[in-house]
Amino acid sequence: ETGVTQTPRHLVMGMTNKKSLKCEQHLGHNAMYWYKQSAKKPLELMFVYSLEERVENNSVPSRFSPECPNSSHLFLHLHTLQPEDSALYLCASSQVVRGGARNTQYFGPGTRLTVL
Amino acid sequence: AQSVSQHNHHVILSEAASLELGCNYSYGGTVNLFWYVQYPGQHLQLLLKYFSGDPLVKGIKGFEAEFIKSKFSFNLRKPSVQWSDTAEYFCAVNSPGGGNKLTFGTGTQLKVEL
Repeated sequence: ETGVTQTPRHLVMGMTNKKSLKCEQHLGHNAMYWYKQSAKKPLELMFVYSLEERVENNSVPSRFSPECPNSSHLFLHLHTLQPEDSALYLCASSQVVRGGARNTQYFGPGTRLTVL
Repeated sequence: AQSVSQHNHHVILSEAASLELGCNYSYGGTVNLFWYVQYPGQHLQLLLKYFSGDPLVKGIKGFEAEFIKSKFSFNLRKPSVQWSDTAEYFCAVNSPGGGNKLTFGTGTQLKVEL
């Protein structure tokens, strides 16, 4: 299934590095999401871009910075991360209708991030 | 805030056994409910979803789930599991008031033994 692709699949970085994760959706959707998946924790929604609006989880540290240049592409810029940020970062997309919630999210394969 | 509970964190079954995974949510109003599966090394895939109508929902690969509003539950079932069902299963909920936010449970790791 190639509806939502993510690159790179694996990333190892030091705490002083700057890197970016990329997500692309080929489903014609109008909303994209970043999630963090850590062991033994529920998937945590980090950011949403929906109908050209950005919605964020206020608990996400500023060292994570999203960018959504168009409805098909989503980036997550990373800088001065901490070892506890090591996790699987998942991108998802869906087709939303303003005011509705009946949208199904489709996920990419994720980027496995390790911060040394 | 919305929360989702999956009480079984690890389940081990033999092939052909029946499966039921529990999912309970906290929101009392209208909800949309989902089960996702993550096979080893693969991405999250949608198993089935409930928006409205018949509370018994059938999904892919022989899975079904029943929405019981009075119990705030959306349990996943399969009458006879196969070794290939070994995976992690996630229940998720969103609600009209929650916008596009999906709230996930912590997941249930299912291992099916031959």
